[in-house]
Amino acid sequence: DTAVSQTPKYLVTQMGNDKSIKCEQNLGHDTMYWYKQDSKKFLKIMFSYNNKELIINETVPNRFSPKSPDKAHLNLHINSLELGDSAVYFCASSQTGFPNEKLFFGSGTQLSVL
Amino acid sequence: GDSVTQMEGPVTLSEEAFLTINCTYTATGYPSLFWYVQYPGEGLQLLLKATKADDKGSNKGFEATYRKETTSFHLEKGSVQVSDSAVYFCALKWSSGYALNFGKGTSLLVTP
Repeated sequence: DTAVSQTPKYLVTQMGNDKSIKCEQNLGHDTMYWYKQDSKKFLKIMFSYNNKELIINETVPNRFSPKSPDKAHLNLHINSLELGDSAVYFCASSQTGFPNEKLFFGSGTQLSVL
Repeated sequence: GDSVTQMEGPVTLSEEAFLTINCTYTATGYPSLFWYVQYPGEGLQLLLKATKADDKGSNKGFEATYRKETTSFHLEKGSVQVSDSAVYFCALKWSSGYALNFGKGTSLLVTP
């Protein structure tokens, strides 16, 4: 049973297209995240939702739009894809209310924009 | 803002060598500190954590001690194995309570 699953694992697309990445967690957590990892492995937070509410929205182009239909899902839609969007996108989840909760990560979606 | 700085990689060691990966942090207050590990093709996994000064986190032979006086959380292992080859990330928890800020990662390659 995969705790945090994201699909697809690989996504190859042309510039200008619109694409979505889906994420689901079965851990009962109340907080979910999207992180972007660039080619140098640098990991940067993009968004976070707590109980379906957006709580973190870092400096991300508005072409990126997260959507959380319920606590177990956080999807990422990207409009008008650009070359610089090529990266690995990781979904993660955690449970707040504990002082030092840990993040559980999905296995990543490798996005390649041609 | 709160941040961590970790040593640049890649680090290449022979099996059974001693490992140190340096990590220092900048933060208001006393954040919780973490080491995460990423094996090839996988997401990150928590390796160990420490929540207050002088705490020592340990797991799978790895250790890190939360040093307030030097604002450091260096990762150590006495004898590395080939299976330890991975990318290691130091992280701290936001003072707001949400999310973690990660360092840039240190790639470790252990050769037989």
